Amino acid sequence: VQLVESGGGLEQPGGSLRLSCAASGFTFTSYAMSWVRQAPGKGLEWVAVMSGGDGNRHYADSVKGRFTLSRDNSKNTVYLQMNSLRVEDTAVYYCAKALDSGDYPRYGMDVWGQGTTVIVSS
Amino acid sequence: DIQMTQSPSSLSASVGDRVTVTCRASQSIIRNLNWYQQKPGKAPNLLIYAASSLQSGVPTRFSGSGSGTDFTLTISSLQPEDFATYYCQQTYSTLWTFGQGTKVEIK
Repeated sequence: VQLVESGGGLEQPGGSLRLSCAASGFTFTSYAMSWVRQAPGKGLEWVAVMSGGDGNRHYADSVKGRFTLSRDNSKNTVYLQMNSLRVEDTAVYYCAKALDSGDYPRYGMDVWGQGTTVIVSS
Repeated sequence: DIQMTQSPSSLSASVGDRVTVTCRASQSIIRNLNWYQQKPGKAPNLLIYAASSLQSGVPTRFSGSGSGTDFTLTISSLQPEDFATYYCQQTYSTLWTFGQGTKVEIK
């Protein structure tokens, strides 16, 4: 079971980036996928989650209206489109899989990627 | 949003000590509370889910308890590999939130 993130980099304020998370080793469509970020020297911040089945998406207030989750089940990949980037979006972004299957996971995230770094700076 | 508050923010302990970390929710989250361990430069690792269920492969010296608004993570006998930062997370609401973290350091 593995998650591999990509797409991070340096972007100017107001710009856009798209992060990808490629999954393998499990039935991708059965599990919700989430993004969690960690600013330099700070704690974990949950960003967004998308269910595997009905496609319900939920976002933290800090990114609502700017970030969009999507998934391509044919490629076992989830995407985080980040628009209107701000300096405070600078962080390591982790992709993670829900432990429990279904559209409303409650048991946390049991598989994590290695993280991809996003730096927003002029 | 549901706020999660951990205490203490940091603690110093010795190998073999019993260590307790507390997490308080701003409203009842029943038992939808998970605990993670994170070491520097690494992704978090799920330790406990649903307040008290031990994740597969996690040593039995880790345990969780609580319900409603108050939860506890206990390490029964601290080992050298347990020096890390610990986070609680609520998954009761559709907007998940983490506590601010508790750093466990070597005394």
